[in-house]
Amino acid sequence: SYELTQPPSVSVSPGQTARITCSGDALPKKYAYWYQQKSGQAPVLVIYEDSKRPSGIPERFSGSSSGTMATLTISGAQVEDEADYYCYSTDSSGNRWVFGGGTKLTVL
Amino acid sequence: QVQLVQSGAEVKKPGASVKVSCKASGYTFTSYGISWVRQAPGQGLEWMGWISAYNGNTNYAQKLQGRVTMTTDTSTSTAYMELRSLRSDDTAVYYCARLRVVGHYMDVWGKGTTVTVSS
Repeated sequence: SYELTQPPSVSVSPGQTARITCSGDALPKKYAYWYQQKSGQAPVLVIYEDSKRPSGIPERFSGSSSGTMATLTISGAQVEDEADYYCYSTDSSGNRWVFGGGTKLTVL
Repeated sequence: QVQLVQSGAEVKKPGASVKVSCKASGYTFTSYGISWVRQAPGQGLEWMGWISAYNGNTNYAQKLQGRVTMTTDTSTSTAYMELRSLRSDDTAVYYCARLRVVGHYMDVWGKGTTVTVSS
């Protein structure tokens, strides 16, 4: 079965740049999406189609993809950005969708 | 505004079935799909599948094939997810989310429904 691999945790100080990676064999041909989930809340879409930002998402959130790796970058991370972040994509067939295991971002 | 309102928490015994509802408002229901995602306690997100509200086409996660059924009622803009033969490891928060037809990604989520399976 298809898998997306994320680091379990990333830690930065406020104002620093946080980068969260997601690797998957189909990413060269399939878009990556990123969701933020704060404790006890439903997920929120922060990046779609590798690098597009939905309305209402701060400009400090950006995405990129190269080869088999997609990256979510938070430039000037703030304490309120502490959350779990999940990448989401599909296998080469486009029929099986998966989430990465999630990355806990700590900002302190 | 776009909203997805889910039904309340459920407690079920092993072997039983559960049916969770998700009522949509604020948009044209049949122009999107509905995805279902679950999250076991302390665990990550798990994609369960999706249904097109336009034509009822479905796509289920392989591990749930045969136990899950997703349906919609376009007259009430409501989606349903039924899971049968419940086991303890089905204990989770179940989310519905609006599915963009182009791209197959979720852009608006419900608040979740807690399903507890316990004898």
